[in-house]
Amino acid sequence: DGGITQSPKYLFRKEGQNVTLSCEQNLNHDAMYWYRQDPGQGLRLIYYSQIVNDFQKGDIAEGYSVSREKKESFPLTVTSAQKNPTAFYLCASSRELADNEQFFGPGTRLTVL
Amino acid sequence: AQSVTQPDIHITVSEGASLELRCNYSYGATPYLFWYVQSPGQGLQLLLKYFSGDTLVQGIKGFEAEFKRSQSSFNLRKPSVHWSDAAEYFCAVDPNQAGTALIFGKGTTLSVSS
Repeated sequence: DGGITQSPKYLFRKEGQNVTLSCEQNLNHDAMYWYRQDPGQGLRLIYYSQIVNDFQKGDIAEGYSVSREKKESFPLTVTSAQKNPTAFYLCASSRELADNEQFFGPGTRLTVL
Repeated sequence: AQSVTQPDIHITVSEGASLELRCNYSYGATPYLFWYVQSPGQGLQLLLKYFSGDTLVQGIKGFEAEFKRSQSSFNLRKPSVHWSDAAEYFCAVDPNQAGTALIFGKGTTLSVSS
């Protein structure tokens, strides 16, 4: 079955450590996205990528970094510079940037202790 | 300021009753409009979308939404709610119709009582 996988589902890290969240899709989609979800805040865009080796900052990119070395993979690194990293992180993809129908992964809940 | 507003944070509906979830946007032109549903601890699933044309849009799971340009609204409706509809619902817009980003409302949590 085609879809988006995110791993792990739950992640715990100590304050000051960098952590990388995985996102893989087998939908052959060109565009991929990372969102952060906080209770009562909806979803906010962190980064998005239109094609391999290209990515753009979203609304809340500070303290995060991404890479897009392969079409199917778009990992997100939460760095120690992110002041409040505890949140639910959602990865999404779409056929192309102009195709607004985004498909979401199941999410990773990151807790920084 | 440009925004997407879901005025109701939490709604409780009896099983079998009708449902309407409100969504208002404030953008100059008509954006692309979406409704997503999220079960606890899960990702989001697209219920329906509006790009142009018929202002009444049918989606999955028996949901529909009506675009009203004069009210800048895109309210989600279901004639008869099932207990499995309990979830969080997000309205989203693509203000530039460019797919660069969706702007999400803060969500409405739906509880279903028996």
